[in-house]
Amino acid sequence: DAKTTQPNSMESNEEEPVHLPCNHSTISGTDYIHWYRQLPSQGPEYVIHGLTSNVNNRMASLAIAEDRKSSTLILHRATLRDAAVYYCILFWSGANNLFFGTGTRLTVIP
Amino acid sequence: EAQVTQNPRYLITVTGKKLTVTCSQNMNHEYMSWYRQDPGLGLRQIYYSMNVEVTDKGDVPEGYKVSRKEKRNFPLILESPSPNQTSLYFCASSSSGGGKEFFGPGTRLTVL
Repeated sequence: DAKTTQPNSMESNEEEPVHLPCNHSTISGTDYIHWYRQLPSQGPEYVIHGLTSNVNNRMASLAIAEDRKSSTLILHRATLRDAAVYYCILFWSGANNLFFGTGTRLTVIP
Repeated sequence: EAQVTQNPRYLITVTGKKLTVTCSQNMNHEYMSWYRQDPGLGLRQIYYSMNVEVTDKGDVPEGYKVSRKEKRNFPLILESPSPNQTSLYFCASSSSGGGKEFFGPGTRLTVL
């Protein structure tokens, strides 16, 4: 499995934007970049995914570097409910599992 | 409401006593899988199923069994649980491998 590297933890003030980085220098051309998050005492929750172009949905935006070796998950206005562990995962379309790694623990400060 | 359900949510048992954790999804998904989550190790896949009667091992299958007799259900069976299987277990489903996965709420298992 191609691996990703994320900071162990980050902090953000409430209502400010948050940029969560992910490095994936060994990404292959068929790997999709997925982001999941896990709120305390809950199962992982899908956030967003993309292949080459930047993506937006109601939860977040995903900015993908031109060489695809890194990406950034953007939460436009962090709320207390966004405090979670965020996982960046590479996933090719024929894969059978998600390799989660240890993710980034986001703390949102009121 | 689209969801994945697991039962029980919490279970304390003793070594060697067979147990089953049930998983059910109401989204008509073909693909289902089981993960365990341990501190410092993240989530690791135990078994997955691509459709009815089609299952295969994930990364950590030892000590576990699964079956997929119906599309909606994917139970996890521990024939002879041991303390190293104390963990938080998640069931997940998706419409296809590699797609968006929906996770259940988790089952916290303690084996004494």
